[in-house]
Amino acid sequence: DAGITQSPRHKVTETGTPVTLRCHQTENHRYMYWYRQDPGHGLRLIHYSYGVKDTDKGEVSDGYSVSRSKTEDFLLTLESATSSQTSVYFCAISEAGDQPQHFGDGTRLSIL
Amino acid sequence: QKEVEQNSGPLSVPEGAIASLNCTYSDRGSQSFFWYRQYSGKSPELIMFIYSNGDKEDGRFTAQLNKASQYVSLLIRDSQPSDSATYLCAVSGGSYIPTFGRGTSLIVHP
Repeated sequence: DAGITQSPRHKVTETGTPVTLRCHQTENHRYMYWYRQDPGHGLRLIHYSYGVKDTDKGEVSDGYSVSRSKTEDFLLTLESATSSQTSVYFCAISEAGDQPQHFGDGTRLSIL
Repeated sequence: QKEVEQNSGPLSVPEGAIASLNCTYSDRGSQSFFWYRQYSGKSPELIMFIYSNGDKEDGRFTAQLNKASQYVSLLIRDSQPSDSATYLCAVSGGSYIPTFGRGTSLIVHP
């Protein structure tokens, strides 16, 4: 299995608080992605990175920011969490943008 | 807006039958096509990828790609109850970043 670790695996927090999710890989893959998955919407891309300090927005980026200071770590931050951001968040990695992705185990985030 | 369409299902098939899952896409420039399986409460896992027109077989799974008609399908032969899951189609085009369909739920009943 691809070496991808997401932390935390579960988090419950309150509206208005900042939240940071971490994705760590040991595969040295260039591309990293953050998705959210909600019933009826499938996987939706939040942000992705194609190298250290190189990131771009996905289709649902509002309210989220990311950072990638090292090849192995990709952080997703909710600056001020809202209840609409309650979701399951998946990190994925790939060697290139058109190559298969490998997913982490996910983070279940609940914002009350 | 690149779109990837899948019938949400559920698709119900008896054990031992062939399950056929279909996916259509809007971007004619698409070059890479992926099928992922996702069990309830788990993360997606890659089961097949295909880049060229035609069929690609891997065990009980066959991916079929028809670029002229803009569809890709996944056949599962000798379906087993353990194949019951949601199957996600993903398509990568000129921008390279894949677009995912919403998935088709497959139920294989004994």
